Amino acid sequence: KAGVTQTPRYLIKTRGQQVTLSCSPISGHRSVSWYQQTPGQGLQFLFEYFSETQRNKGNFPGRFSGRQFSNSRSEMNVSTLELGDSALYLCASSLAGERDTQYFGPGTRLTVL
Amino acid sequence: SQQGEEDPQALSIQEGENATMNCSYKTSINNLQWYRQNSGRGLVHLILIRSNEREKHSGRLRVTLDTSKKSSSLLITASRAADTASYFCATEGANSKLTFGKGITLSVRP
Repeated sequence: KAGVTQTPRYLIKTRGQQVTLSCSPISGHRSVSWYQQTPGQGLQFLFEYFSETQRNKGNFPGRFSGRQFSNSRSEMNVSTLELGDSALYLCASSLAGERDTQYFGPGTRLTVL
Repeated sequence: SQQGEEDPQALSIQEGENATMNCSYKTSINNLQWYRQNSGRGLVHLILIRSNEREKHSGRLRVTLDTSKKSSSLLITASRAADTASYFCATEGANSKLTFGKGITLSVRP
């Protein structure tokens, strides 16, 4: 079975721009979660989608948004980028989310200049 | 705020030695999971222990969970240079989201 894939792997943007990251879960997995990893804050939960609905949300501003498609693929969008948004963005998929093992993708490294 | 707090923050051992890493948390959990991350790449799931379990093994890994002390430990036996990585504990609470600690940097010297 193919693992979780994320595109693009690396991205450089400037302040004020917006960005869209994509995540394809493991086949059959219906839950996709997004995390932000920075040296200062560590790994922080952004949101979780299950069956095209946002089921959980972390403490991030409204500039961070996401969606999930009927094939379980997910995208996250960050608008009006700030320098502090530079991070590794990881997505994880699981069968149903609750109490299931989450499998992580390789991440998208976003640099905001 | 972080739910899991790993200890120590960094650990350096010789190949062949055992590595013990600890994790403490604050609130009740459904399960606790350990992950490994190599140099800024994706996380690899190592082991999941449920709140009603006390000990679990997987290959060279042994995880214990003490819910009364709200703590867990990960033991890697007979370490190898390839075990060099950052290790994270993550707790899953009632809302099913994972909350990660800051991680432990393990260096295994050949």
